[in-house]
Amino acid sequence: ELKVEQNPLFLSMQEGKNYTIYCNYSTTSDRLYWYRQDPGKSLESLFVLLSNGAVKQEGRLMASLDTKARLSTLHITAAVHDLSATYFCAVNYGGATNKLIFGTGTLLAVQP
Amino acid sequence: GAVVSQHPSWVICKSGTSVKIECRSLDFQATTMFWYRQFPKQSLMLMATSNEGSKATYEQGVEKDKFLINHASLTLSTLTVTSAHPEDSSFYICSASAWIYGYTFGSGTRLTVV
Repeated sequence: ELKVEQNPLFLSMQEGKNYTIYCNYSTTSDRLYWYRQDPGKSLESLFVLLSNGAVKQEGRLMASLDTKARLSTLHITAAVHDLSATYFCAVNYGGATNKLIFGTGTLLAVQP
Repeated sequence: GAVVSQHPSWVICKSGTSVKIECRSLDFQATTMFWYRQFPKQSLMLMATSNEGSKATYEQGVEKDKFLINHASLTLSTLTVTSAHPEDSSFYICSASAWIYGYTFGSGTRLTVV
């Protein structure tokens, strides 16, 4: 059974600071996703990482993937209040169904 | 881009009644559709996977007689919560999968059972 864990579960940080969210998964997968969720809303796609060593950046967010370590990171640079949300990683669980299994989530609160 | 429409956005129903939630892929044909449930401050839990014209595959611990899934076409899947009870109150999100688009999520349905 695939397990996806995120660390930390809650992150309070000041504007302008940097921080990293970690996503560990337990079995081999060929792709990893990062999503953002605002309160009461559905998911907004941030990144899709398809191969070992993949790195993608959009604004103040940068995601990377190490398939050998089964680890993905989401790095936040110079945080701003607008980044406050819950962030989920999700791993494609292969086979015929291609299920997407979500991590535990990280609630990010950026304080002014 | 790919768009998935989910209706209703929110619904309040009485205990013991049934509620149907629709999930439509508007501009693409979805190979597979997925249904998730999310309790407050928790992650998304996969409930079931459905393919057009075949029976849904439910995750362990999900009651298939309570959560009926119908996937009548490549663009429409429905989730019916039968004999709803307050503990079924939750945020339900559908996702449609297609090779070129990956996973596209609906806007979610907030179900409150009173």
